[in-house]
Amino acid sequence: SAVISQKPSRDICQRGTSLTIQCQVDSQVTMMFWYRQQPGQSLTLIATANQGSEATYESGFVIDKFPISRPNLTFSTLTVSNMSPEDSSIYLCSVGGTGRREAFFGQGTRLTVV
Amino acid sequence: SQQGEEDPQALSIQEGENATMNCSYKTSINNLQWYRQNSGRGLVHLILIRSNEREKHSGRLRVTLDTSKKSSSLLITASRAADTASYFCAIQETSGSRLTFGEGTQLTVNP
Repeated sequence: SAVISQKPSRDICQRGTSLTIQCQVDSQVTMMFWYRQQPGQSLTLIATANQGSEATYESGFVIDKFPISRPNLTFSTLTVSNMSPEDSSIYLCSVGGTGRREAFFGQGTRLTVV
Repeated sequence: SQQGEEDPQALSIQEGENATMNCSYKTSINNLQWYRQNSGRGLVHLILIRSNEREKHSGRLRVTLDTSKKSSSLLITASRAADTASYFCAIQETSGSRLTFGEGTQLTVNP
């Protein structure tokens, strides 16, 4: 199992600003995943963060908008840049879910852009 | 899309009743998992069923998998108000390693 500490849990931000979300895992993991969950919807994978290499972004997500850092095997950040109200969502980090194992999630960051 | 499709989208029942949620998918899978999410928080894993399994139990949860119909169901027996949450299925495709989540079912259990 894994315990993930994600912060902040929520924030209200002005449009045009940026927010950095942090995730700390209690064990070393190769891959960390960042998801977006728009209101009332399912989870959409933003990118996969591997330590020591550039993150791999899914279609529709770009590094300039969602830069990711992965400085070591237990930590990652996701920045939501130049925010607009359309970025209002829950952002979740996750580990596991590959191979034949379950995924573990952080508590989520509820972002509201005004 | 290989995303799981869940029905119903919303389900409201009384405490003590059983709740059944269904998930359908389009491709072959390695396994299918069910997760629970309380009030937009992080997801919590409930149960994993492998492609060669047909049924699994965990406490009040019962999951079935029919690979011929590409569908799964989650049954919560003797529901409680605390079971109120969103429930998501997630598939892991045979050819890939990432989870793909369904749209979710919002379950409300009324006391």
